[in-house]
Amino acid sequence: KAGVTQTPRYLIKTRGQQVTLSCSPISGHRSVSWYQQTPGQGLQFLFEYFSETQRNKGNFPGRFSGRQFSNSRSEMNVSTLELGDSALYLCASSLGTAAGNTIYFGEGSWLTVV
Amino acid sequence: AQTVTQSQPEMSVQEAETVTLSCTYDTSESDYYLFWYKQPPSRQMILVIRQEAYKQQNATENRFSVNFQKAAKSFSLKISDSQLGDAAMYFCAYRVGYNNNDMRFGAGTRLTVKP
Repeated sequence: KAGVTQTPRYLIKTRGQQVTLSCSPISGHRSVSWYQQTPGQGLQFLFEYFSETQRNKGNFPGRFSGRQFSNSRSEMNVSTLELGDSALYLCASSLGTAAGNTIYFGEGSWLTVV
Repeated sequence: AQTVTQSQPEMSVQEAETVTLSCTYDTSESDYYLFWYKQPPSRQMILVIRQEAYKQQNATENRFSVNFQKAAKSFSLKISDSQLGDAAMYFCAYRVGYNNNDMRFGAGTRLTVKP
């Protein structure tokens, strides 16, 4: 069974540009959540989607957005990139949002903003 | 606000020895989930062990076990018979609420295993 797949794995963008990251959850998983990991702030929750609906959102500016498709695949978008957006973006999936569900993470997308 | 604190930025253990990683958390909830995740150099977060707050019994998974002290809001991870492959960053995490995947992570502890 394939794990959580994130693409691209590495990318470099210029300040002011926008970026789209993709996440394919484990087959059968309907919940997808996104996290940002930086040396300074650690791991921070961005948002969560279930059945194409955003259920929760972390404390990030509106430049960070996401969506989920009917096949549960998810994308996150960051517009008007800033240097501080350089981070590892981790996607995670689970069967649903019930507390007993195990959350599985992908290997992440490394974003460097120059 | 729920917070998770890992007071040990780095820990070191000799191969085959036992090491304990500390974690404390703050919450006003009575029922919740706690987790330990391992992040090796590949950066993929791997679930090591989880604990349901309403369960008195400490969770165990092979060489990994926890000491869950609910009143003290403490959740430490014990790794027995440490192996070289255990070297990684370890994150303690708290799951916010019962119906979402919003997890709060500690800052992490970097574990080095010496041969």
